Amino acid sequence: SQQGEEDPQALSIQEGENATMNCSYKTSINNLQWYRQNSGRGLVHLILIRSNEREKHSGRLRVTLDTSKKSSSLLITASRAADTASYFCATEPGNDMRFGAGTRLTVKP
Amino acid sequence: EPEVTQTPSHQVTQMGQEVILRCVPISNHLYFYWYRQILGQKVEFLVSFYNNEISEKSEIFDDQFSVERPDGSNFTLKIRSTKLEDSAMYFCASRDRGGLYNEQFFGPGTRLTVL
Repeated sequence: SQQGEEDPQALSIQEGENATMNCSYKTSINNLQWYRQNSGRGLVHLILIRSNEREKHSGRLRVTLDTSKKSSSLLITASRAADTASYFCATEPGNDMRFGAGTRLTVKP
Repeated sequence: EPEVTQTPSHQVTQMGQEVILRCVPISNHLYFYWYRQILGQKVEFLVSFYNNEISEKSEIFDDQFSVERPDGSNFTLKIRSTKLEDSAMYFCASRDRGGLYNEQFFGPGTRLTVL
């Protein structure tokens, strides 16, 4: 089954605006993680939220988790051009991590 | 800051050839993983490895694939007879003894091109 489906698929905003990306999943999870990937590069871990947590902050990032709705959101506040990248959520139903297709975020200067 | 490293950064091979992709996980980590990402597609789980054995593998990880931790530092992915559709970025990841409640650290990837 598909795990970690993000929406929107693409998001374009102006520098300084907030960006919100959503993720839905299907099975029960131990944790949910968000990663960033610049074009053609590796994955950079952003934040991990455990299944018993509802919200987590890290700098300009805010992640929420609603296990009853099987959904998570990633909010990037005061976006910068350097935030331009693809953002993936990933879940671990077992000892295997499943990634979504990602949201392509473009921040225009 | 410790990081996962992978070599080579780019590997070009002929169809049917064997390739070995190498990874050096972070030194005190106990769990190791391989993922692949076909160009323009999502990252896909291949295999997880713990305590010198495979703990989980996906349907992609068929008999053509194998993993090994030949010494205390390297973690390798071998593809015995490469196919065109094996062309992808291959990422290695590791995590520490915290297990499922800690993050996985990813390497920069190896781009495999099968001609």
